[in-house]
Amino acid sequence: AQSVTQPDIHITVSEGASLELRCNYSYGATPYLFWYVQSPGQGLQLLLKYFSGDTLVQGIKGFEAEFKRSQSSFNLRKPSVHWSDAAEYFCAVGPYGGATNKLIFGTGTLLAVQP
Amino acid sequence: NAGVTQTPKFQVLKTGQSMTLQCAQDMNHEYMSWYRQDPGMGLRLIHYSVGAGITDQGEVPNGYNVSRSTTEDFPLRLLSAAPSQTSVYFCASSYDRGVGTEAFFGQGTRLTVV
Repeated sequence: AQSVTQPDIHITVSEGASLELRCNYSYGATPYLFWYVQSPGQGLQLLLKYFSGDTLVQGIKGFEAEFKRSQSSFNLRKPSVHWSDAAEYFCAVGPYGGATNKLIFGTGTLLAVQP
Repeated sequence: NAGVTQTPKFQVLKTGQSMTLQCAQDMNHEYMSWYRQDPGMGLRLIHYSVGAGITDQGEVPNGYNVSRSTTEDFPLRLLSAAPSQTSVYFCASSYDRGVGTEAFFGQGTRLTVV
């Protein structure tokens, strides 16, 4: 069955520290991969996406993610976290070729940023 | 450019009541979807549509109905509300094909069933 696993439910980092949020997926074909961010009381905003090509993708707000097919992972990274990055982050997978109306989401990772 | 608009933002229902959550998009997207978000469970797909007149079930469709009479609108109906349907509901839309498509989400509807 298709699934997305985010092993870390809650992460706390200090402002200025580096960040890595983990995402592993189980999918029978080449997936589309996404990272979304949700600020409190808000909808979901797309941070970045991977479809093909370069396995290191750049997104908004200084985030990047690396697709590793051998590890079925798509981890999100940021070299220096800002207090405004405190939010919940969701990894999602969709079938190759589109069909972004049927995304499968992970359970989310809640990021807290300490001053 | 409004994007995806959901109404209402908040709603309290009594068990057994029915209601419709509204979703409208102004981007001429063919694909639309409804998700529910529950703590510790991420977002789960309820129903989706690939175009006007075409809908299908997602992962958790029981207790919900949808229709798609126009490209712009995709309402979600709760037939007889139950406390288990207390959740935050998100509507999303996207283009139907092509590399690089992404789903755009509304701001959500927070529903409480008492």
